[in-house]
Amino acid sequence: QQQVKQSPQSLIVQKGGIPIINCAYENTAFDYFPWYQQFPGKGPALLIAIRPDVSEKKEGRFTISFNKSAKQFSLHIMDSQPGDSATYFCAAVPYNTDKLIFGTGTRLQVFP
Amino acid sequence: GAGVSQSPRYKVAKRGQDVALRCDPISGHVSLFWYQQALGQGPEFLTYFQNEAQLDKSGLPSDRFFAERPEGSVSTLKIQRTQQEDSAVYLCASSLGGGSPYEQYFGPGTRLTVT
Repeated sequence: QQQVKQSPQSLIVQKGGIPIINCAYENTAFDYFPWYQQFPGKGPALLIAIRPDVSEKKEGRFTISFNKSAKQFSLHIMDSQPGDSATYFCAAVPYNTDKLIFGTGTRLQVFP
Repeated sequence: GAGVSQSPRYKVAKRGQDVALRCDPISGHVSLFWYQQALGQGPEFLTYFQNEAQLDKSGLPSDRFFAERPEGSVSTLKIQRTQQEDSAVYLCASSLGGGSPYEQYFGPGTRLTVT
């Protein structure tokens, strides 16, 4: 079964810190790796996505790093703010499908 | 513009009852997805439509779960003879389809509690 493993389960940082969330996958049959942000009572919202032929992608304060040989990718949040406090999910899209395979989530808390 | 809407937002059902959950996707979105999110977990794929065609139902956990999208717009997820393990948030998402399948827009979900 295709899986995406995510860590840590929870993360606490001070405002301005750089939280890093890591994900790993177990087969090579994925062609997109998006990250979603979810606030309590809301559905997930797309933050940023990367293809496996790219090693890094930056959008605003959010950066994805991708290591194809290690089958790992990570999300970095620069200059984190209290408003970034949410649950973050990595995901992967299998080849020839449109469905998302989600990680288990990381609950981020940013304190002022 | 309006996002994805879902109704009801909360549903309490007694074990054995049938429930129907509705999803109104963003207008013009070709693809529609249903996911199940257990407490403290990531969403898990249930099924996917492209227009009115159900292209993938591999994630439906049992034959008690049924989804339809008869006119290629609104979709309904039906759960028959609900069980306690069906308690979860059911998320609907829609997308334009085409080259960016990861750009899915999610609704707020329906929280189903089976007692």
